[in-house]
Amino acid sequence: AAGVIQSPRHLIKEKRETATLKCYPIPRHDTVYWYQQGPGQDPQFLISFYEKMQSDKGSIPDRFSAQQFSDYHSELNMSSLELGDSALYFCASSSDSNIYGYTFGSGTRLTVV
Amino acid sequence: AQKVTQAQTEISVVEKEDVTLDCVYETRDTTYYLFWYKQPPSGELVFLIRRNSFDEQNEISGRYSWNFQKSTSSFNFTITASQVVDSAVYFCALSPGDSSYKLIFGSGTRLLVRP
Repeated sequence: AAGVIQSPRHLIKEKRETATLKCYPIPRHDTVYWYQQGPGQDPQFLISFYEKMQSDKGSIPDRFSAQQFSDYHSELNMSSLELGDSALYFCASSSDSNIYGYTFGSGTRLTVV
Repeated sequence: AQKVTQAQTEISVVEKEDVTLDCVYETRDTTYYLFWYKQPPSGELVFLIRRNSFDEQNEISGRYSWNFQKSTSSFNFTITASQVVDSAVYFCALSPGDSSYKLIFGSGTRLLVRP
């Protein structure tokens, strides 16, 4: 069965650079969620989209932005990167009508040096 | 406020021992969902179980079992006859009853199973 695809798997950026993470949800899933997991911490909800509209917002820094495209894939854009942005970034998808399909991707490990 | 507490930061057991990971949650919603995930050293989040607030039936899946008690707002996870491959960080999570479906995670319990 198709899973949630995240790219890239690993990314190394320098401080003040920009990074773009991509998430391809499971086919027919219309909702995407982004989470950030710092070293030794639990995943923290950043933002979600349903049918290409932002549906909920968590503790996402103003330097970050995200969107969901017409094919339902989503991109998380991070600018002016800081050392503290080094983390695992997870994307999850679901069908809005069914939480039972909630599925996480394998994550993107971002390292800011 | 919605919150998940995993009071056990780290547990170390010897292989074949049984171990229980505790999870206590707070929510005012009458409809909500509870999850357990396993995060091995490779980093991915491995789904273990999901339970909705109206289903208090305990569940067993192989060596894994879950005890959901609304009266104490707990959703504990037991591994029977633990194995070295069970070593990982385990997260309990809560999803509110609104349409958001975002997950609120506990701080995780690191389980080390020694041979």
